[in-house]
Amino acid sequence: QVQLVESGGGVVQPGGSLRLSCAASGFTFSNHGMHWVRQAPGKGLEWVAFILYDGNNKFYAESVKGRFTISRDNSKNTLYLQIHSLRTEDTAVYYCAKDFTSSWTRYFDYWGQGTLVTVSS
Amino acid sequence: SYDLTQPLSVSVALGQTATITCGGNNIGSKDVHWYQQKPGQAPVLVMYLNSNRPSGIPERFSGSNSGKTATLTISRAQAGDEADYYCQVWDSRTALFGGGTKLTVL
Repeated sequence: QVQLVESGGGVVQPGGSLRLSCAASGFTFSNHGMHWVRQAPGKGLEWVAFILYDGNNKFYAESVKGRFTISRDNSKNTLYLQIHSLRTEDTAVYYCAKDFTSSWTRYFDYWGQGTLVTVSS
Repeated sequence: SYDLTQPLSVSVALGQTATITCGGNNIGSKDVHWYQQKPGQAPVLVMYLNSNRPSGIPERFSGSNSGKTATLTISRAQAGDEADYYCQVWDSRTALFGGGTKLTVL
C-alpha cells in the first residue's frame, strides 16, 4: 500500500532554514509527480509546490517562490522541501502528496500524515 | 488568480442529504476534486474528476460540476461524515483549494 512519511519539522526561528523529507513506498516513486501542501493551524489547505516525476519541472505557489525549493531523489524514493528565510506565517503542518494527472488536471490521490513546522522566536 | 468559494459550514440531519458547493468562474469547464479531512488527520481524496469515487469511498458520496458550481453530495449522512471538505482544481500550473466547508451531522 502507498505510504508517505514526512519528517524534518520542528521549531525554528524567523529567518532560519529547514529541510523537510518525505519517504515514499508502495508505488513506483520515479513514475509519479509529487506535491507539498501545507495547512496553518486552524486554517485551510494551501498548495506549496510540485515536482515532475523526473525532477525536470517544478512549480511553486507565489507565496513561497524564491524561498522554497522542491527536489527529489528517485534512488532513495524521497521527496524534499528546502525552506529558507522562514517567516511566522510559514508555521503549518506540511504534507507531501502523491500526484495523479489526467488530461489537463492534477490532484492528490495519497497524502502523508504531515510534519509540523513552527516558526517562532 | 482563480478563486474557489465554499460555504464555511453546512449542517445535515442524520440520514439526510448534505450538499457542499464550490463556486468559481466557469468552474464547469474545469475538473474538480474533493477531499475530506477529519480533525487531526490528513486529507483523503473522496471525489476526483468531478464525479468519480476512489476505491473505498461509499456510494453515498457523489459529485457534479456544471456552470459556476461544483457540488459534493453526501446521501444518508452518517456521524462519521463529519469533517472539513475541500474542493480543488489545477489551473495555470497551480493547485487551488477552496476555503473548506465544515460539515456537521446533527
